[in-house]
Amino acid sequence: DTGVSQDPRHKITKRGQNVTFRCDPISEHNRLYWYRQTLGQGPEFLTYFQNEAQLEKSRLLSDRFSAERPKGSFSTLEIQRTEQGDSAMYLCASSLGASGENEQFFGPGTRLTVL
Amino acid sequence: EDQVTQSPEALRLQEGESSSLNCSYTVSGLRGLFWYRQDPGKGPEFLFTLYSAGEEKEKERLKATLTKKESFLHITAPKPEDSATYLCAVQANQAGTALIFGKGTTLSVSS
Repeated sequence: DTGVSQDPRHKITKRGQNVTFRCDPISEHNRLYWYRQTLGQGPEFLTYFQNEAQLEKSRLLSDRFSAERPKGSFSTLEIQRTEQGDSAMYLCASSLGASGENEQFFGPGTRLTVL
Repeated sequence: EDQVTQSPEALRLQEGESSSLNCSYTVSGLRGLFWYRQDPGKGPEFLFTLYSAGEEKEKERLKATLTKKESFLHITAPKPEDSATYLCAVQANQAGTALIFGKGTTLSVSS
């Protein structure tokens, strides 16, 4: 399978704990995105990397959230001191980044439940 | 503020009953409009990209069209396997690379 992969697929944690999610993009894609989706809503943009550089961050990305893409390949999203409001599906997407190639391809998501 | 509104929120069709989903948008400058399909518990699956008014794209029973203010996703003779949530998103010139999504239209097709 050469699509975007995410791990874990499901995570249940207690309020106040830290969690980390991983995303592996399509191999030749140099752009990587994180979105969050709650029930009944469309995905909301969190942050974007081009290669290893984090170029855009949404105001939704509070100080408790941090994302990295250390070698321009996989990315991690960490949430510190989780709150119940963090419960959502966290989606990763990647795109080629070439001129005119704007399509973003999504992974299966990580479903986070904060108790 | 850049905004995407989809209607209806939910649509029930009989197999073979054609219909259209609407996506209206307000953006400072449109870089692209995207349609995705999302099945329950899964990530969105890319369907189409439209870049300029008058553009049309087709895939099997789906046809997407674009005007300066809205896009339509036409579904011709739908089958039960077309049941899903259809998401519309725009990429605006001043929003960088982020996609701005609508809330989606949930389509149910019964046999």
